[in-house]
Amino acid sequence: SAVISQKPSRDICQRGTSLTIQCQVDSQVTMMFWYRQQPGQSLTLIATANQGSEATYESGFVIDKFPISRPNLTFSTLTVSNMSPEDSSIYLCSVTGRKETQYFGPGTRLLVL
Amino acid sequence: TQLLEQSPQFLSIQEGENLTVYCNSSSVFSSLQWYRQEPGEGPVLLVTVVTGGEVKKLKRLTFQFGDARKDSSLHITAAQPGDTGLYLCAGGGATNKLIFGTGTLLAVQP
Repeated sequence: SAVISQKPSRDICQRGTSLTIQCQVDSQVTMMFWYRQQPGQSLTLIATANQGSEATYESGFVIDKFPISRPNLTFSTLTVSNMSPEDSSIYLCSVTGRKETQYFGPGTRLLVL
Repeated sequence: TQLLEQSPQFLSIQEGENLTVYCNSSSVFSSLQWYRQEPGEGPVLLVTVVTGGEVKKLKRLTFQFGDARKDSSLHITAAQPGDTGLYLCAGGGATNKLIFGTGTLLAVQP
């Protein structure tokens, strides 16, 4: 299994600002994923981040709002741009494991005022 | 669009009771996974089932994959407060992306 860390673990931000979330994995992985989750609810996939190529975004998510970087096989960042209170959520990164499974980071809890 | 519906959405039970969570879809999946998420943490994989009709047991938890690979169930025997959490099923396929279920929030009261 992979060990994944995320920074920051939580933050409170003002509307109109941007926050960059970091995801670090202890091993090299091809695919990384970014999700959004409201507390107590299911996960919504934002995008898939592959090293050396542009991220692939799901319907309803755009690069201008959620730019993603993937500079190497162990690291990725997700930026939440021009934040509004509706962006308050938990943001999770994950990597693929065996048999289509995924390993998740602990999440970043974001509150936008 | 592939959807995975879980039922019930919320469940509050007493310690020692049994419960079953259902995960249903109209789509076929190559694998069906169950995750548990505790407050302040990311989801943690409990089990993966890949064969129609497959049953797997993990201590007091029993997982079953439907014969047609469209649905699954999770049965917990003699629930304990440590079982409290958000249970998520997820369907896997060739794209490596997971389709997550709607979630079941379980509270086990001591």
